[in-house]
Amino acid sequence: AQSVTQPDIHITVSEGASLELRCNYSYGATPYLFWYVQSPGQGLQLLLKYFSGDTLVQGIKGFEAEFKRSQSSFNLRKPSVHWSDAAEYFCAVGRDDKIIFGKGTRLHILP
Amino acid sequence: DGGITQSPKYLFRKEGQNVTLSCEQNLNHDAMYWYRQDPGQGLRLIYYSQIVNDFQKGDIAEGYSVSREKKESFPLTVTSAQKNPTAFYLCASSRVGSGANVLTFGAGSRLTVL
Repeated sequence: AQSVTQPDIHITVSEGASLELRCNYSYGATPYLFWYVQSPGQGLQLLLKYFSGDTLVQGIKGFEAEFKRSQSSFNLRKPSVHWSDAAEYFCAVGRDDKIIFGKGTRLHILP
Repeated sequence: DGGITQSPKYLFRKEGQNVTLSCEQNLNHDAMYWYRQDPGQGLRLIYYSQIVNDFQKGDIAEGYSVSREKKESFPLTVTSAQKNPTAFYLCASSRVGSGANVLTFGAGSRLTVL
C-alpha cells in the first residue's frame, strides 16, 4: 500500500541551528515527491518538488531536500532556521491523479 | 493575481444541516481537489475532479458531495450524513499532464458543528 511517514510529530530547534525533517514513503514506482509548509490557519505552500534528475533539490526560503531511493526517503533540510520558519511541514508523494500526504511535523523555534 | 478563493473562512452549523463550501480558482487549472484536515491526521482526500462534469471519490467521500459544472468552481457540500464534520477543509487545484500534481491550495474553510 502507498504510504508516507513523517516520524517526528514535533521538532524544536534553536534559531540559527540546522534543521532536518524526515520523510519515508512506500510506493510501487518512483513517485513524485513534495514538501509543503502550512502556517497556522492557512493553506499549504509548496516548498520544493522532485520529479527526476538530480536527487538534491533546492526550494524556496533556503530549504533543500535529498531523494534517497535506497532508503525510500526525502528528507528536508535547512542550514540555519529563522523564527519565521515555525510552521507545520508536510511531505507528500504520488503521481498522476493522486497525492498522499504525511501527517505533518510541527516545527517550533526557540529564540 | 491568480489563485484559489475559499469561502466562507469560518462556518458554524447545527447538527442535521447541510452546508456548502465554495472553491473558485482563476489559474485555468483542469484538476481540483477537496481535502479534510484534522489535527495530527494530515490531509485526507475527499473528492477530486480532472474535468468539468466529472469527479471521483477520494479516501473519505462518505457524507460529502461535490459538483463541477464550471472549470473554475468546485463546491463541496457537507451533508447531515457526515458523522463528524468539524474540521478544516482545503481546496486545491493543479494542471493535468506535464506539471501535474503540483497543488495550489486555498486558505481553507473551518467548519464547526454546534
